[in-house]
Amino acid sequence: GQQVMQIPQYQHVQEGEDFTTYCNSSTTLSNIQWYKQRPGGHPVFLIQLVKSGEVKKQKRLTFQFGEAKKNSSLHITATQTTDVGTYFCAQSANAGKSTFGDGTTLTVKP
Amino acid sequence: DGGITQSPKYLFRKEGQNVTLSCEQNLNHDAMYWYRQDPGQGLRLIYYSQIVNDFQKGDIAEGYSVSREKKESFPLTVTSAQKNPTAFYLCASSPSDPAGELFFGEGSRLTVL
Repeated sequence: GQQVMQIPQYQHVQEGEDFTTYCNSSTTLSNIQWYKQRPGGHPVFLIQLVKSGEVKKQKRLTFQFGEAKKNSSLHITATQTTDVGTYFCAQSANAGKSTFGDGTTLTVKP
Repeated sequence: DGGITQSPKYLFRKEGQNVTLSCEQNLNHDAMYWYRQDPGQGLRLIYYSQIVNDFQKGDIAEGYSVSREKKESFPLTVTSAQKNPTAFYLCASSPSDPAGELFFGEGSRLTVL
């Protein structure tokens, strides 16, 4: 099935710095979802993007879907300690099969 | 509250034993899924079911079995044929096909001794 590659695998930032994680595919994606998993927790849905060039914002989080629908990014402005966790991108195909990237683990130093 | 309940949260098993993980949802979702998560890796799909009495293999179904006798329930059995069963198992559901948002349970952490 389609694979999504996520980079970087780990990111360590100072509180207040920005953070970006990228999700890339060699094929066109029908959609992209982003999830956050806190340490020891379960993934929680953040957002879904479906349109070429789509940009959505949630407070300090900005999500983008590339024009070619082969890449996506999640940008966090002015990170806080509550942002720590692993951020996953995923794409869902027919029959409900969602394929996840390996995630980017964010740590924030106070 | 509506949601997905997985049990047990932690489970220890000896090699050669089968173990069944429970997943119950009261969200009235048609589709349910089982994922496996290993440290530093993403989620890999084991099995999924779009409707009662029907299910399909995911990417890593070998050594696992499921049933879907009720809409609310989708138990996963980790059999002794699974070579490396120690992992974090996540059950999820979604209201539509193709799946958009997945709703996850809190997970079951299985350790084989």
